Amino acid sequence: NAGVTQTPKFQVLKTGQSMTLQCAQDMNHEYMSWYRQDPGMGLRLIHYSVGAGITDQGEVPNGYNVSRSTTEDFPLRLLSAAPSQTSVYFCASSPFLAGVEDNEQFFGPGTRLTVL
Amino acid sequence: GENVEQHPSTLSVQEGDSAVIKCTYSDSASNYFPWYKQELGKRPQLIIDIRSNVGEKKDQRIAVTLNKTAKHFSLHITETQPEDSAVYFCAASKRRGSTLGRLYFGRGTQLTVWP
Repeated sequence: NAGVTQTPKFQVLKTGQSMTLQCAQDMNHEYMSWYRQDPGMGLRLIHYSVGAGITDQGEVPNGYNVSRSTTEDFPLRLLSAAPSQTSVYFCASSPFLAGVEDNEQFFGPGTRLTVL
Repeated sequence: GENVEQHPSTLSVQEGDSAVIKCTYSDSASNYFPWYKQELGKRPQLIIDIRSNVGEKKDQRIAVTLNKTAKHFSLHITETQPEDSAVYFCAASKRRGSTLGRLYFGRGTQLTVWP
């Protein structure tokens, strides 16, 4: 049971380049989300999904796209990277079903992205 | 939407002393309050949580209290040790409604425990 995995661990991009951050979980969790973490700003929600085919925006969605074709995978796409997107990105998953007592979110190891 | 405020942003204590971190939330419908610990360069990990039908919960040296009327909750760490040094995040969530499952995080508290 690998939990939540993310690739790559580190990435350097030039302004205007595009890329996809990968996230996968093997816990059959319905809920998956992407956060960015910047110094002094905590964890800010970018996009989230409550199941395959369903996604919604968080508080900082601009410049990012997501899709959820399977329960396991939730990739984050940067369409045209900007220096303001330099950050550490965390993917997380949790059970979602109503009546589930344990709402713990499990985080992946993170991707450190630098945009020059 | 929900707004979670966390204080202080930094906290330094001597080893063996207690540490208290406080959070407030704005949405009275929030009913699940987890605390995450993030060590340097690592991912956030859940250390304790509390649900709105409980006023206090303890797990060894850590405890969390919740005051629903005042809409605030606190993390208490007793007999602090250097390995408690980390960033701590509080969060709030609703287990019903349109934003079911979404966590709203505070901005974090950097706790440093000096030997």
